[in-house]
Amino acid sequence: GQNIDQPTEMTATEGAIVQINCTYQTSGFNGLFWYQQHAGEAPTFLSYNVLDGLEEKGRFSSFLSRSKGYSYLLLKELQMKDSASYLCAVSGLYGQNFVFGPGTRLSVLP
Amino acid sequence: DTAVSQTPKYLVTQMGNDKSIKCEQNLGHDTMYWYKQDSKKFLKIMFSYNNKELIINETVPNRFSPKSPDKAHLNLHINSLELGDSAVYFCASSSTGPTNEKLFFGSGTQLSVL
Repeated sequence: GQNIDQPTEMTATEGAIVQINCTYQTSGFNGLFWYQQHAGEAPTFLSYNVLDGLEEKGRFSSFLSRSKGYSYLLLKELQMKDSASYLCAVSGLYGQNFVFGPGTRLSVLP
Repeated sequence: DTAVSQTPKYLVTQMGNDKSIKCEQNLGHDTMYWYKQDSKKFLKIMFSYNNKELIINETVPNRFSPKSPDKAHLNLHINSLELGDSAVYFCASSSTGPTNEKLFFGSGTQLSVL
């Protein structure tokens, strides 16, 4: 089975940096994904890690440690539009099973 | 062109009715999914089909029956709707294999059972 955990809510200030953690336990692992979901909309892809280390994409970076079952999403220079839920997801063997964590609701304050 | 399209966007119906949600993807992906997102916003996988074959069937009541006529379509039929079925249902697709690719989501169907 798969178990994924994330903090429920976080608050940060515009212009700041925030780190959203994700821990997972899976029976098969093919990659770890981060998705952003604004209220009333579908999730959209942010980043993907399959090997240990940091992947950087503009203001967003994601880190993975497979041995620790741990990932984080780092958001820099926060903007009001970054207020959303951030979902950690693990794909199993052959990538045919994407399981999502409970999501972290981020509120960016002025 | 919409990559993953699902219809309808909103569905309001009475308890006991039968309803269907349709999903189509034009990305050439071989795997399609149905997810349910409840009021607590937890996105839970229901079904996964790979090349029209059922791969994953999580603990979902058998009132829910997915149908995949071809690998570009995955429809969801729900019999005898119950109040607890009210949620947002998302269709998604991906390619699978040695290099995992991301999920693409449809815009969601908000189902309200009265």
